[in-house]
This record gives sequence, structure tokens and C-alpha cells, in this order.
Amino acid sequence: AQSVSQHNHHVILSEAASLELGCNYSYGGTVNLFWYVQYPGQHLQLLLKYFSGDPLVKGIKGFEAEFIKSKFSFNLRKPSVQWSDTAEYFCAVNTGGFKTIFGAGTRLFVKA
Amino acid sequence: NAGVTQTPKFQVLKTGQSMTLQCAQDMNHEYMSWYRQDPGMGLRLIHYSVGAGITDQGEVPNGYNVSRSTTEDFPLRLLSAAPSQTSVYFCASSYRRNEKLFFGSGTQLSVL
Repeated sequence: AQSVSQHNHHVILSEAASLELGCNYSYGGTVNLFWYVQYPGQHLQLLLKYFSGDPLVKGIKGFEAEFIKSKFSFNLRKPSVQWSDTAEYFCAVNTGGFKTIFGAGTRLFVKA
Repeated sequence: NAGVTQTPKFQVLKTGQSMTLQCAQDMNHEYMSWYRQDPGMGLRLIHYSVGAGITDQGEVPNGYNVSRSTTEDFPLRLLSAAPSQTSVYFCASSYRRNEKLFFGSGTQLSVL
């Protein structure tokens, strides 16, 4: 069965620090990859997605992610985080079927 | 445009009680799904539907029933609630099966 692993469950950063959240998936075929974000008290929303083409994708609020097929990875990055980036981040994978599988999530806390 | 609407937002049940979580979307999406979110486990797929009259099981279907009589509505039924079903439940929909998901605001359920 497909699975998604997120390496860090909790991350604490100071404002202006750089962010990288790891995501690895287990599936050898074509995948659609997503990062979702859940801000405190809000529902999940899409941050960015990769379907095909340029493996470096840019999303909202300055986030980007790089798809490395050989490493089965889709890491999320942001050069300089803000206090408002405090949220829970979920990596998700769809292998073309009806099921989108989510990772366990990473809680990010940004200190002002 | 309301998107995905879930009710209720909060619910407390006693063991053995039954209830239905409501989900409706107004985007004419064919694909709808239910997830539960538990600390450290991310979102796990309970059931999904690819259109009116068509439903299937996800990763954790036991204890839950669904039906899809219309494109708009996808209720989730707990026939006999158990403490293990204490969780936050999210309904989601998408235009196509592997496209981005639109989430509702969630239902926080406690089973005592």
C-alpha cells in the first residue's frame, strides 16, 4: 500500500529562518503530489501541487517544493518564515486513483 | 459560493449512540470523501464516492457507513459510536479524482 512519511512532527523556528519540511512517499509509478496547510482554527487548504513538468513548483505565500523522483521525495521549502506561517503542514500523494493519502503532518511554530 | 459545508461543528456522543455527520458541496464535484484526523496520524481516508450512487471504502472504514443519493450530499453515519471514533472529521470534494481537494471546516466528535 502507498504511504507518505513526513520526517518532522514538530518544528520550531524564529522569524526569518529558512524552512524545509521533508516528505517521502512509497510508490514506484506516476504520482500527483500536494502540500496542504491548516492554519489554527481553519480548514485545510492547498499550498501547492505537482502533476508533471518542472519539478520545482511554487505555491502561495512564498512556498515552493521540489519533486525528486529518484528519491521519492517532495520537500517543502520557504526561504524566510513569518509568524503567520505557524500552522500544520500535510504532504499528500495521489497515484492516479480515487485515494489521496496524507502524511502524519508537521506542526510548525514560528517565534516572533 | 459556500464550497464544502459540514455540520455540526462539535458533537459529544455516548458509547453506542448513533449520529450522522452532514456534508454538502455546491461546486458540482463528482468526487467526495471523508477523512478523520488524529494526532500524529494525519488524515486517514474513511470512505469516498465518485458520483451519485457510487461509494467505496478507504483506509479505515469500519464503524462508518456512507451513501450518496445526490451529487451535492455525502453524509457519514456512525451506527454505534465507540470511544475510538473520537476524532476530527473532514469532508472533502474535488472536480476529478486526483485533483486538489476542497475541505470543509471539520466536525470535532467526542465519544464518551
